[in-house]
Amino acid sequence: RKEVEQDPGPFNVPEGATVAFNCTYSNSASQSFFWYRQDCRKEPKLLMSVYSSGNEDGRFTAQLNRASQYISLLIRDSKLSDSATYLCVVISGGTTDSWGKLQFGAGTQVVVTP
Amino acid sequence: GAGVSQSPSNKVTEKGKDVELRCDPISGHTALYWYRQSLGQGLEFLIYFQGNSAPDKSGLPSDRFSAERTGGSVSTLTIQRTQQEDSAVYLCASSLVLGALTTNTIYFGEGSWLTVV
Repeated sequence: RKEVEQDPGPFNVPEGATVAFNCTYSNSASQSFFWYRQDCRKEPKLLMSVYSSGNEDGRFTAQLNRASQYISLLIRDSKLSDSATYLCVVISGGTTDSWGKLQFGAGTQVVVTP
Repeated sequence: GAGVSQSPSNKVTEKGKDVELRCDPISGHTALYWYRQSLGQGLEFLIYFQGNSAPDKSGLPSDRFSAERTGGSVSTLTIQRTQQEDSAVYLCASSLVLGALTTNTIYFGEGSWLTVV
């Protein structure tokens, strides 16, 4: 079983609609969580960190469910420019020596259509 | 520089040749990562450097792959006797590790696109 798993999609979303998807992780000691966005043939870029209490950044809302070991991303009022692959990143906690080997999900593709 | 810089941005090489890929992390960042991504695939961890600790090389796919980081800054990823399956984009990332529970943003370079023909 992979340490971080995502539904690859694609999620086809009409412009203006809401889309949500999850990422599950297997290591219960994981401490830090992020959503990255990757456009075609581009490098990943940080979209948002995910905090225990959940957090919102404009149209994007991230949630963490430690009991069920997953994080989620919700995009409201989808724009055409939201079309991308969304990567889940999980980092194990512990000492600074364990800060490494960031676990990436394979990504969820979102396609926003006019 | 302002961001993570990688060179070359594109490299076409013949099967069997050696290649070197370079990464200049963000100044002051203690952690440096190499990943590779084949077309349409997820990121594959290769190697991780953090400060003066021994690098985590557990992701290197074969002994043809090696990496070093000189002076805690610039890193070079070397692929010897390249094979066609080595064709991918090689991404370098860096971050500032402040503590175990600090959420640190990882910044990626634009990648080195390697094609082995």
